[in-house]
Amino acid sequence: AQKVTQAQTEISVVEKEDVTLDCVYETRDTTYYLFWYKQPPSGELVFLIRRNSFDEQNEISGRYSWNFQKSTSSFNFTITASQVVDSAVYFCALAEGGATNKLIFGTGTLLAVQP
Amino acid sequence: EADIYQTPRYLVIGTGKKITLECSQTMGHDKMYWYQQDPGMELHLIHYSYGVNSTEKGDLSSESTVSRIRTEHFPLTLESARPSHTSQYLCASSALSSSGANVLTFGAGSRLTVL
Repeated sequence: AQKVTQAQTEISVVEKEDVTLDCVYETRDTTYYLFWYKQPPSGELVFLIRRNSFDEQNEISGRYSWNFQKSTSSFNFTITASQVVDSAVYFCALAEGGATNKLIFGTGTLLAVQP
Repeated sequence: EADIYQTPRYLVIGTGKKITLECSQTMGHDKMYWYQQDPGMELHLIHYSYGVNSTEKGDLSSESTVSRIRTEHFPLTLESARPSHTSQYLCASSALSSSGANVLTFGAGSRLTVL
């Protein structure tokens, strides 16, 4: 069975601090895809990144970086020098290989960045 | 600019009423999805469709029904709303692919409150 665990329910940081959001996944598939989405207070889910199971290379995009480690089944997300606009709920999600494309979401982490 | 539209954004309705949540996308995507988001943030897949006249139930049992008569339109209907149906409903779409997991594009959501 597939499962995504985001153990951190809420995180509060002060602006300019670095923060890491944890994501641990379970799957029996050898081909799978991992995602991070951001949900600001307005409600829509905004895509941040997709990573396939064959690509363990870490990725950096501006203040965002992602660390994918198959050995620990983790796909953690770090925000460097956090800003108030980063305040949102962040979801990690898993999709199996093939054409189904169904996303299994974690429970989300609410990030509050205080000025 | 949104390419997937959900209406209404907010709906407050009495028990027993029939409601339809509309979802339309302009991207020509074959796959469409409905997710239900609990007040505690967790997202659950309740319906999905791979194309016209194709609908499937998701991982979370739901009393709602869906239809897919046109590619761009994927409405969700509750025949008799109850307070337990109070939730946020998120519609999403993605392109069809023979392999791989494409990125889901989400609408802004419909927040339903049943009194």
